[in-house]
Amino acid sequence: DIQMTQSPSSLSAFVGDRVAITCRASQTINRNLNWYQQRPGKAPKLLIITHSGLRSGVPSRFSGSGSGTDFTLTINSLQPEDLATYYCQQSYSLPPTFGQGTKVEI
Amino acid sequence: QVQLVQSGAAVKKPGASVRVSCKASGYTFTTFFFHWVRQAPGQGLEWMGLIDPSGGSATYAQKFQDRLTMTRDTSTSTLYMDLSSLISEDTAIYYCARVATSASVDKDFDYWGQGTLVTVSS
Repeated sequence: DIQMTQSPSSLSAFVGDRVAITCRASQTINRNLNWYQQRPGKAPKLLIITHSGLRSGVPSRFSGSGSGTDFTLTINSLQPEDLATYYCQQSYSLPPTFGQGTKVEI
Repeated sequence: QVQLVQSGAAVKKPGASVRVSCKASGYTFTTFFFHWVRQAPGQGLEWMGLIDPSGGSATYAQKFQDRLTMTRDTSTSTLYMDLSSLISEDTAIYYCARVATSASVDKDFDYWGQGTLVTVSS
């Protein structure tokens, strides 16, 4: 199975800050990497499919980049509603695997 | 609009089985694959398996091979996830998730059910 490692495991930032979360795969996954947002008590929400971009309705302050084994989720101008845990997930092969999550506090 | 509505919370004893349902609406049920993902309390996301709602074929994570069954009822646009021989470590929120791309073994989880808490306790 492909292992996904996120960093940091948590971060605290101010409204308006730019934050970056990284995700590393244990082997190359090309650009087959997704980012999800999970707000407290809610189901995960797909934010970004790296090879095809931002999902409909997702604010443009979210962006994803990377290829191969190293990926980054960037949130420009952090907002209060961005309080959540963020997960990366590889869609390159079965089984799909997730990072351990990054908790973002405002 | 696409909606996935799951069954309510369940409490089961160790060794028992549980069935979680996921009713889909707002699109043609048989055209998108589904996955099941679970999340133990305070933990991350764990993939369990996938099902083709058109033909009914399913693929399971190796960890669950012996005790997981995924089925569907096309007449009611409902998926079912049956997990047997429950242990305390199966206590988790179970989610159904529909993929983004039709007619493919897609692994982009675009729509999620609200989740079903299954508690395993004696």
